Amino acid sequence: AQRVTQPEKLLSVFKGAPVELKCNYSYSGSPELFWYVQYSRQRLQLLLRHISRESIKGFTADLNKGETSFHLKKPFAQEEDSAMYYCALRHGSGNTGKLIFGQGTTLQVKP
Amino acid sequence: EAGVTQSPTHLIKTRGQQATLRCSPISGHTSVYWYQQALGLGLQFLLWYDEGEERNRGNFPPRFSGRQFPNYSSELNVNALELEDSALYLCASTPLDRGHYEQYFGPGTRLTVT
Repeated sequence: AQRVTQPEKLLSVFKGAPVELKCNYSYSGSPELFWYVQYSRQRLQLLLRHISRESIKGFTADLNKGETSFHLKKPFAQEEDSAMYYCALRHGSGNTGKLIFGQGTTLQVKP
Repeated sequence: EAGVTQSPTHLIKTRGQQATLRCSPISGHTSVYWYQQALGLGLQFLLWYDEGEERNRGNFPPRFSGRQFPNYSSELNVNALELEDSALYLCASTPLDRGHYEQYFGPGTRLTVT
């Protein structure tokens, strides 16, 4: 069954410390993975997708098919990074819109 | 550009009643998705509408249904409400050229069933 697991409900770090938000997936096909973020009192929004291999707000995520992981990393956390982060997997191929989300991890960056 | 809008913001119903939730996508977006975010369960895919047709549904009973109108707005109906239907219901839309992965989310409707 397709599944996305985010093992940590809460990750608390100090400003300037490295951050790694874990995401593991279970999927039989070729996965397409994303990170969505929800800042306080804002809407859920796309942060990055694995295909683009870009860095957004200093965050990067590499798809590791061997470990079935898509961890989100940032070398130096900022207070404004505090938010809820969701890892998501697109189910199916082509133009299918079903996203399977993980439970989410709250990142708390302390000053 | 105006974002995805949802109404009402809050909805309180009693068990057994019906609830109707509404969503207006961003102008130019033809696909609408519905998700349920129940406490402790994360976001769960409910329904996907595209060009007026239901394209996919999640593991929810048939009492969860909806439709998409010619102007691409959408309605989610939940019949015979149960206490466990209490949740935040999120609507999202995507533009045609984003391969359906970049979903723009609305603020949600908080449904409380008593």
